[in-house]
Amino acid sequence: GAVVSQHPSRVICKSGTSVKIECRSLDFQATTMFWYRQFPKQSLMLMATSNEGSKATYEQGVEKDKFLINHASLTLSTLTVTSAHPEDSSFYICSAWTSGHNEQFFGPGTRLTVL
Amino acid sequence: DAKTTQPPSMDCAEGRAANLPCNHSTISGNEYVYWYRQIHSQGPQYIIHGLKNNETNEMASLIITEDRKSSTLILPHATLRDTAVYYCIVRLNTGTASKLTFGTGTRLQVTL
Repeated sequence: GAVVSQHPSRVICKSGTSVKIECRSLDFQATTMFWYRQFPKQSLMLMATSNEGSKATYEQGVEKDKFLINHASLTLSTLTVTSAHPEDSSFYICSAWTSGHNEQFFGPGTRLTVL
Repeated sequence: DAKTTQPPSMDCAEGRAANLPCNHSTISGNEYVYWYRQIHSQGPQYIIHGLKNNETNEMASLIITEDRKSSTLILPHATLRDTAVYYCIVRLNTGTASKLTFGTGTRLQVTL
């Protein structure tokens, strides 16, 4: 149990386009989902915290108009990278929190490459 | 959340125990020690957590010193598939969702 999926697993896009990444909790309901970003050879950095039915809370330095987060249901959160540029190329990872386990479970990550 | 310090890298022979240390000298009384690992190009995986007692599960053992200022994650019989970056994180366990702050972790290389 407690499986989190992400789609797509990898995406390549042209500069200036928008990319949507989905994060799903497959066998539990997640009231809170987190979005992280990881650049090569670096650690995970939290981008935002998303609560179902409310606006996401962004970490300092993360542009909320560039990284749009929607958490419309207890099993799905989406991250849209708008007008992507090469510097947005990174590994994006979501996690979902469940009160049943009182723990965060991580998705497998999405590798974004912007040309 | 308290800051943690881990060695940047360690090697371990396959079949041997891997002992990964973590210092958290500023930990407060109600903060837990969590361990996650991240295999290359995958999301982090929860391993174990504890408050002050030693803990063991099917993956690993966690030894926390009596003063709680440091801990050791033990993989009793390391395999090649245990090669990963291991993160020690200290945080409150309030029963509500709280963010995880990842440090640089320890890169464990298990060799033949």
